[in-house]
Amino acid sequence: RKEVEQDPGPFNVPEGATVAFNCTYSNSASQSFFWYRQDCRKEPKLLMSVYSSGNEDGRFTAQLNRASQYISLLIRDSKLSDSATYLCVVALIKAAGNKLTFGGGTRVLVKP
Amino acid sequence: ETGVTQSPTHLIKTRGQQVTLRCSSQSGHNTVSWYQQALGQGPQFIFQYYREEENGRGNFPPRFSGLQFPNYSSELNVNALELDDSALYLCASSTGPGLTTGELFFGEGSRLTVL
Repeated sequence: RKEVEQDPGPFNVPEGATVAFNCTYSNSASQSFFWYRQDCRKEPKLLMSVYSSGNEDGRFTAQLNRASQYISLLIRDSKLSDSATYLCVVALIKAAGNKLTFGGGTRVLVKP
Repeated sequence: ETGVTQSPTHLIKTRGQQVTLRCSSQSGHNTVSWYQQALGQGPQFIFQYYREEENGRGNFPPRFSGLQFPNYSSELNVNALELDDSALYLCASSTGPGLTTGELFFGEGSRLTVL
């Protein structure tokens, strides 16, 4: 089983619709969680951190479920510019060294 | 622009050769991490350097090695190149190793092709 798993998609989303997808992680000791966005042939960029209580940033909502070991991202009122690959990142911080694990990414295509 | 620069942007090597990739971190950042991203996959963590010392490592063999310099720039060295090493190599800098703020600032990457 992969340490961090995502549905690769693509999720084909009509413009204006809502889309949601999850990311599961296997190490229950993981401490920090993030969503990154990667456009085609570009570098990843931070979209948002994921907090235990859930958090919202404009049209984007992130949730963390520690009991079931997954994080989620919901995009409301999808825009054409939301088309990208969304990468979840799980961080394990240890005195012996840190480990940062990316999921394989979920591809989202927003269509007119 | 993130302020993280990588060089070279593209390079072609043959099996068995060695390669050095370079990364200049964003001003004020003391931590650099390196990732390998194969086509269609997410970035895979290679290692992280904090204040010139390795501070974490992913599941990569010892032929992947690195350095961080006093100015916090970094190098990734790969020896005995294999065909599967063909990938985009991403460098990311951050303000510290703990990722409490969560933001990794990525460079545009070095695309390595091994023939």
